[in-house]
Amino acid sequence: AQKITQTQPGMFVQEKEAVTLDCTYDTSDPSYGLFWYKQPSSGEMIFLIYQGSYDQQNATEGRYSLNFQKARKSANLVISASQLGDSAMYFCAMTLNTDKLIFGTGTRLQVFP
Amino acid sequence: GAVVSQHPSRVICKSGTSVKIECRSLDFQATTMFWYRQFPKQSLMLMATSNEGSKATYEQGVEKDKFLINHASLTLSTLTVTSAHPEDSSFYICSAPGQVSGNTIYFGEGSWLTVV
Repeated sequence: AQKITQTQPGMFVQEKEAVTLDCTYDTSDPSYGLFWYKQPSSGEMIFLIYQGSYDQQNATEGRYSLNFQKARKSANLVISASQLGDSAMYFCAMTLNTDKLIFGTGTRLQVFP
Repeated sequence: GAVVSQHPSRVICKSGTSVKIECRSLDFQATTMFWYRQFPKQSLMLMATSNEGSKATYEQGVEKDKFLINHASLTLSTLTVTSAHPEDSSFYICSAPGQVSGNTIYFGEGSWLTVV
């Protein structure tokens, strides 16, 4: 069965520092996509970054990068130069080319001055 | 701007009544939309897949007679919570794949439902 695991319920980081949010996944399907979403307290789901299983290079989007280690089945999110506005819930998710998303349990990130 | 619009953003209803939530794709057609539910401090769980012109596909454990889904047009899917009970209070959010599939999945703003 497909599964996403986020082992960090909460993380703290000081402003301007980098932080890594962990995500591991489990699937036997060779074709899949991995997403990271940010969810502030308002509830909206903000797309951050996407990595396809066949992508050779790690995805990057501004301050966000995805450390994709296929053999380890991990897709960690790295946020560089954290900002106070980065404080939110972060969800890792997977799709198997059906556009249905399987979500992890999330990590609450708190950025302090 | 938003590419998927969801309405209402917040709704309070009395126990036993029904409430409808709309999910609308803006400027693109969505033959498939997805409805998720999120309880406080929990993750998003897929409830059902809404298919334009055909019946919705429900995930295991989701009551199809309680959560009615209608996808009457290429830009609109509705979720109706029938005979709502306090335990149905939750955050409901829809998504739609964009025209460039694979890495384009848009979410609505979500709807907070409180049943009193």
